[in-house]
Amino acid sequence: EDQVTQSPEALRLQEGESSSLNCSYTVSGLRGLFWYRQDPGKGPEFLFTLYSAGEEKEKERLKATLTKKESFLHITAPKPEDSATYLCALYSSASKIIFGSGTRLSIRP
Amino acid sequence: GAVVSQHPSWVICKSGTSVKIECRSLDFQATTMFWYRQFPKQSLMLMATSNEGSKATYEQGVEKDKFLINHASLTLSTLTVTSAHPEDSSFYICSANLLTGTSDEQFFGPGTRLTVL
Repeated sequence: EDQVTQSPEALRLQEGESSSLNCSYTVSGLRGLFWYRQDPGKGPEFLFTLYSAGEEKEKERLKATLTKKESFLHITAPKPEDSATYLCALYSSASKIIFGSGTRLSIRP
Repeated sequence: GAVVSQHPSWVICKSGTSVKIECRSLDFQATTMFWYRQFPKQSLMLMATSNEGSKATYEQGVEKDKFLINHASLTLSTLTVTSAHPEDSSFYICSANLLTGTSDEQFFGPGTRLTVL
């Protein structure tokens, strides 16, 4: 069964304190793995798509990596405006999209 | 990035009425769109996959007669919640698939908050 698990559920960091969010998955066939940012009351905002193990993508303070079993979203020197819920989603070869439960990230000034 | 819009952004209706939500891809064509619902502090749950020119594919447990999906064109999909009840109150979000030669991405609309009284 295709499955996505995100950890931790919530993460509180001090401004400038780097950390990583984890997305573990099992899938019969991977079409892509997405990372999104979601602010309260809004739709998810696209961050990255990763397609194969070993792939890395960067955008400002965020860097996403992918292995055959998990993906990491690294956040370097975060700022308060990076506070949001970060979602990963599995896009299977059967064209199914499965979301993880998200990590609520809070950055204190 | 590509833009997906939803209309309305919020709606309040009486129990028993039907509500239509529109999802449009503004600057690209999408043969496939997805509909999700999200309850407070929970993640997105896929309801159905909408394919242009064919019937939607519903996830297990989603009543297709209650949640009617029409994907009439490459830029528009609609979700109609028929005979809405308070338990249908939720945040409904659509996404559209943008497939190019080098990327396969999902872009989301801003969501529609439905409140059924």
